[in-house]
Amino acid sequence: GQNIDQPTEMTATEGAIVQINCTYQTSGFNGLFWYQQHAGEAPTFLSYNVLDGLEEKGRFSSFLSRSKGYSYLLLKELQMKDSASYLCAVRDLEGSNTGKLIFGQGTTLQVKP
Amino acid sequence: EAGVAQSPRYKIIEKRQSVAFWCNPISGHATLYWYQQILGQGPKLLIQFQNNGVVDDSQLPKDRFSAERLKGVDSTLKIQPAKLEDSAVYLCASSFGTTNTDTQYFGPGTRLTVL
Repeated sequence: GQNIDQPTEMTATEGAIVQINCTYQTSGFNGLFWYQQHAGEAPTFLSYNVLDGLEEKGRFSSFLSRSKGYSYLLLKELQMKDSASYLCAVRDLEGSNTGKLIFGQGTTLQVKP
Repeated sequence: EAGVAQSPRYKIIEKRQSVAFWCNPISGHATLYWYQQILGQGPKLLIQFQNNGVVDDSQLPKDRFSAERLKGVDSTLKIQPAKLEDSAVYLCASSFGTTNTDTQYFGPGTRLTVL
């Protein structure tokens, strides 16, 4: 089966650092994506990990441990505009030769002044 | 570069009525996806096209939902008849191909309310 878990809500302070965790269980893991989704808008791509380790992109970093079925998204120097939902999505090859994205429910991050 | 276009942005219908959504992917993107996102949940894949062929429609409720991608470019998703539980945002996404690193780019979505 497929299961992706992430916290429902988080709150952090402007200028701080926040880590959003994601754990997953899939049979045909083939990469993990993080998307940002502001209320009423489309998800936008943030990062992609397929190998273990840390990928850094400006204020955002994403980490993957395949053996633990675990990823996190790290946001540094938080800004008010970072208030959004953050979606963890796993590409799963089970039953598909092309793979499909399985999304978690999303973590709503609220950044406070 | 123009993004994924969708219309309409909002639609309100009564149950048992029919509705159709339109999507135009990013130019050159061979793969097109339709997702359903219920409030408070992540997107769920309904159907995936590669050019004009269906790759995966395992989660599409085929008794009421249909989709087509004529000529391998734009696509329509139809619901007939609609049920209350179909109230959701319908997202269209596209990617260049289906390789492991292909990123999906999403359109703004159509918010459907079924009364």
